[in-house]
Order: sequence, then C-alpha cells, then structure tokens
Amino acid sequence: GQNIDQPTEMTATEGAIVQINCTYQTSGFNGLFWYQQHAGEAPTFLSYNVLDGLEEKGRFSSFLSRSKGYSYLLLKELQMKDSASYLCAVRHSGNTPLVFGKGTRLSVIA
Amino acid sequence: EPEVTQTPSHQVTQMGQEVILRCVPISNHLYFYWYRQILGQKVEFLVSFYNNEISEKSEIFDDQFSVERPDGSNFTLKIRSTKLEDSAMYFCASRREIEALHEQYFGPGTRLTVT
Repeated sequence: GQNIDQPTEMTATEGAIVQINCTYQTSGFNGLFWYQQHAGEAPTFLSYNVLDGLEEKGRFSSFLSRSKGYSYLLLKELQMKDSASYLCAVRHSGNTPLVFGKGTRLSVIA
Repeated sequence: EPEVTQTPSHQVTQMGQEVILRCVPISNHLYFYWYRQILGQKVEFLVSFYNNEISEKSEIFDDQFSVERPDGSNFTLKIRSTKLEDSAMYFCASRREIEALHEQYFGPGTRLTVT
C-alpha cells in the first residue's frame, strides 16, 4: 500500500521560518515532489527530490531522507502570499502518477 | 511560458447527464493525466495516457469514465452518467518525458457540480 502523512494545518508568523514535514510508505520510490495549492487553484510545482539531501530554491528548500521515508519543505522569510496548502506527493516508479498526501494548510499571520 | 489549459472552468450538470471536460496539454509534452479533488480532500489520480492509450488508471476510473485525444492538441475526460459524488475539481496535467526529473504541470481545473 501507499501512505503519505503530513500535518493538517500549521500557522506561522510573517517573516519567520516554517518546516512542513512529510512521511511516506510506498511500494517503490522514484521521487518526492512538493506542490503549492492556493484555495480553488491548481497545484503548482515547488520542488523535487530523488536523492538524499537538501535542495534549495530561493526561499524554499526541500529535504529528503529515503531511509527514513521522510521529507520536509522549509519556507523562509514567510510572506502573507505563502498562505496556501502544501502538498507532498510521491512517484513510486518512472512513469507512474503522483500519489498525494492530504496537504498541509499553512496560514501566515502578521 | 507554456501552460496547460482547461475548459470550462465551471460545469454544472444534473445527475445522470454526460459531461466532457477538455484540456489542452503543453504542446511538446507526451504524458497526460487526469486527477480529481473533492472539496477539502486530497488530489486523487484518475488516469494516465501515453501514445494514444491509457497507461494506468485508478479504481475511481470505472466504466463511467473515458478519455480521448481526438486531435493533436486536446485531451478530454468524459463522464457518461454523472453522480452526485462526481462533484469535484478535475485537474488535467501533462509531463514532457519519462525521466523523473520532469514534473507534471497542472491545468487550472474544472469545477464540476452535479445536482
């Protein structure tokens, strides 16, 4: 089976740093993706990890540990516009579709 | 920047009616997907399409659903006899190549409301 877990909701302050965790158990692994989804809109791609370690892209970074089945998305210098749902998704082999977690709704407050 | 487009943005239909949701994937992409998201729930895979045939489908994608690529640009999802529980956002996505490096790009979605 496949299972992807992430917290349902988080709140953080503008300008701060927040870490959103994701754990997964899948029958295979060929990459972990993070997407941002504003309410009523499509998911937009943020990051991709297939090897262990940290990938940095501007204010956003994503970390992966394959042995632990664990990833996190780190958002720095939070802005109000970062209020959205953040979706963790896993691909278990080359051409298979993404399996999504339920998403973490992040609220950024002043 | 190229993007996936979907029409209509919102479709209201009565239970039992047929609906066709339309998508135009990014032009040089080879893999096409339909996902759905019931309000407040996670994004769920429906079907993937490559080389003019279904490559994978989920349990949700039963005989009521079908997909088609009628020409070189459109990719459609048909629901033959809609049910109340088909109400959801339907997202089309496309991807360029098989390598995992290439992420899926999502369209803006069609909100389907079945009454």
